[in-house]
This record gives sequence, C-alpha cells and structure tokens, in this order.
Amino acid sequence: GENVEQHPSTLSVQEGDSAVIKCTYSDSASNYFPWYKQELGKRPQLIIDIRSNVGEKKDQRIAVTLNKTAKHFSLHITETQPEDSAVYFCAASPGGANNLFFGTGTRLTVIP
Amino acid sequence: GAVVSQHPSWVICKSGTSVKIECRSLDFQATTMFWYRQFPKQSLMLMATSNEGSKATYEQGVEKDKFLINHASLTLSTLTVTSAHPEDSSFYICSARDRTVNLYEQYFGPGTRLTVT
Repeated sequence: GENVEQHPSTLSVQEGDSAVIKCTYSDSASNYFPWYKQELGKRPQLIIDIRSNVGEKKDQRIAVTLNKTAKHFSLHITETQPEDSAVYFCAASPGGANNLFFGTGTRLTVIP
Repeated sequence: GAVVSQHPSWVICKSGTSVKIECRSLDFQATTMFWYRQFPKQSLMLMATSNEGSKATYEQGVEKDKFLINHASLTLSTLTVTSAHPEDSSFYICSARDRTVNLYEQYFGPGTRLTVT
C-alpha cells in the first residue's frame, strides 16, 4: 500500500516568516495530494490540494508543489500568522478507490 | 455545504461492551465513507472504506469482526466497536465523499472520542 512520510514533525517560525513542510510518497499511481490543517480535538480541514497533472497550485498565502518524478510534494505557507499554528497533515491517494493515506503530521507553531 | 456529522462526540464504555458511532452526511449523498482512527498526537490511520449498499473494505491489520461497518444509506454509515477493550480507546473520525461531485475530496466529521474503561 501507499506509504507517506512527512517532515519535519515540529516546526517553529516567527510571525511573518515562511514555513515549508515536505512529504514523500511511495506509490507512483497516487494522483491526488491534499493538505489538511487540524486543530486540537477538531476535524481535519482541507486547506489546499493538487492533482498529479499539475506541478504547482497557489491559494493566497498557501502553495503546494508536486514533483512526480521524485515522488514528493511540499506545502509552503508565506507570511505566517499565529492562527496558522496547528498540526498539518499531507496525504496521498492512489487511483481507484481514492483512499487517503496520511503523513505523520507536522506541528507548526507561529511565534508572535 | 458538504457537512458531515458524527454522533456521539464522545463516549465512555466498559470493557467488553459494544459501542456504535454514527456518521452522517447532512447535505449531500455520500457514495463512499471512510473510517479513521487517530491516537493522541499521531496521524489518521485509515481503517476501512465503505460504499453504500456493499460490504466495507478493511485495511490490513483491522479486524472486520471487531469493527463492524454498515453503510445502509447514502447519508449514514455506522461503526460498531464490539467487545471493546482499553486499547480501543481512540479518536474515531469518519469522512464522506460524493463521487458525483468530486472524485477526490473527502469531508471529515468532527470525530468521536472513545474511552474504554
């Protein structure tokens, strides 16, 4: 099955700086890569996603890049704000049933 | 739109008893629902995938006789933890997808915290 690795496990940045979280996946058939933000005790919220036919996608301060050859994708958050503090999960979805396999999560702390 | 609810939000049960968790799609028809469990400070682990009207597909290592999943309608899936033990204590989250709208995106419920004493 699909195996998703995520780094770093924790990340602290100063407010206004950028944050980058990286993930790798193992199944070359994976074709959908969402990123979720989860606050303590709450449901994961989709913040951005990318499909395998696109190399980069941006939504305001958030961007995701995908390198299919290397099988890795990254989340970029610019101009970070304290409310960006949360746990972020990447995920990959192989074709077919389109199940999601999650990375291990990154706890982002934005220091005011 | 695309709201998924879960009930109960938290439950405490005694070891050896069974507990049922409901997952509902409130404003769309969920052709597929997924069940995850999440231990504290850990990732979401996919337990099973269920399509309306058919048997659930369980991930490797998940006991199908212990975690009974029923997806009887397009808006409701249930997860029953049978003969619960303390090690089953976890945060259980469901998600739902409407393939007729979006083949990929999953909408998550708020989760159910199960504590087995």
